Amino acid sequence: DTEVTQTPKHLVMGMTNKKSLKCEQHMGHRAMYWYKQKAKKPPELMFVYSYEKLSINESVPSRFSPECPNSSLLNLHLHALQPEDSALYLCASSQEGAANYGYTFGSGTRLTVV
Amino acid sequence: GENVEQHPSTLSVQEGDSAVIKCTYSDSASNYFPWYKQELGKRPQLIIDIRSNVGEKKDQRIAVTLNKTAKHFSLHITETQPEDSAVYFCAAEGYSTLTFGKGTMLLVSP
Repeated sequence: DTEVTQTPKHLVMGMTNKKSLKCEQHMGHRAMYWYKQKAKKPPELMFVYSYEKLSINESVPSRFSPECPNSSLLNLHLHALQPEDSALYLCASSQEGAANYGYTFGSGTRLTVV
Repeated sequence: GENVEQHPSTLSVQEGDSAVIKCTYSDSASNYFPWYKQELGKRPQLIIDIRSNVGEKKDQRIAVTLNKTAKHFSLHITETQPEDSAVYFCAAEGYSTLTFGKGTMLLVSP
């Protein structure tokens, strides 16, 4: 398995809802990442987990809460989001807990907040 | 942290022409530089990468060059085809993450 799988592919949620995004990889990668991408913009780093521990939080608002239950799974819990949070949320993973082996990106979750 | 500048933001070429996209980075400690292609509505996909101990790398119609002294690297696509049309992002590794350039929209006209 050489893929990063993200679910759901599309999500529409209200500002009072709670939802979760899921990311899974079975390549033995030890670093996993959440990125947010707005249209026609580059991916922006949100969180990094290295060996299942949160190593980087890029000052993301607390309405986004990451979780890494095990080395294959990464979740992003969403609560009380704003319309400006609508974006493509990309999960990525890389070998050896480092970025210098390249990322494998998932296909993303396209989130719309109404 | 790392800062990556990418030019041009848009590049239009005729099919068969060459295309060159250039990036500069700020952190001299960075040693890994990948390029991603992102088609509309799809995920970024790694197309080629280069490490700091190499000056050039080629894969069929795609090549990347790196000048560590000047801190810049470039993507070269030869014999462009309409299916090369996409947004291309350069990136540099720093502090265990990748920092991306702002992207170049490449349009290849038949």
